[in-house]
Amino acid sequence: GQNIDQPTEMTATEGAIVQINCTYQTSGFNGLFWYQQHAGEAPTFLSYNVLDGLEEKGRFSSFLSRSKGYSYLLLKELQMKDSASYLCAVNWRNSGYALNFGKGTSLLVTP
Amino acid sequence: DAEITQSPRHKITETGRQVTLACHQTWNHNNMFWYRQDLGHGLRLIHYSYGVQDTNKGEVSDGYSVSRSNTEDLPLTLESAASSQTSVYFCASTEGGGTQYFGPGTRLTVL
Repeated sequence: GQNIDQPTEMTATEGAIVQINCTYQTSGFNGLFWYQQHAGEAPTFLSYNVLDGLEEKGRFSSFLSRSKGYSYLLLKELQMKDSASYLCAVNWRNSGYALNFGKGTSLLVTP
Repeated sequence: DAEITQSPRHKITETGRQVTLACHQTWNHNNMFWYRQDLGHGLRLIHYSYGVQDTNKGEVSDGYSVSRSNTEDLPLTLESAASSQTSVYFCASTEGGGTQYFGPGTRLTVL
């Protein structure tokens, strides 16, 4: 499958801002999703980017650069409940509606 | 409210047994997916379906099968369970190319 890379782990302080990066192969790219997954729970949708630019949704924003094969998820005003895994997932043009997930970034928010 | 459910939530079985995991959604979505999630691998696609009688293989389909006899259900069968199939299994559904909604997951242990 096509490689989707994101950092394995990150740590940040409550109230701070953290940026989680995701890179992918540009060939065949259709759109990119970010999901949040708390330990022992199902992934839940955060954002969807198909065009270049920044999508803002409350404390969470997601950015996409199609030409660079790069996305990031920006979390502002971090709260303890933001400790979770953040999954980057790509929809490729030749895969219908299926998603290809990165391995996820485990974010720990400390007091 | 519409939802997606999975059963059982936990299952322990023995090597060589046939196991079926259930997935039921009330979103009336045509598109349904099965993923497995393992440490170090992230979510990987097993099988998917875009409608009744339609089934397709994903990245890690060996040893698994699905059937789609109605819109609401996509059961996943492990023909002869192996220890390598110990994992957490997630079912998801979507309408079109939008957000995939995930079920709560089934934790399967094969001894």
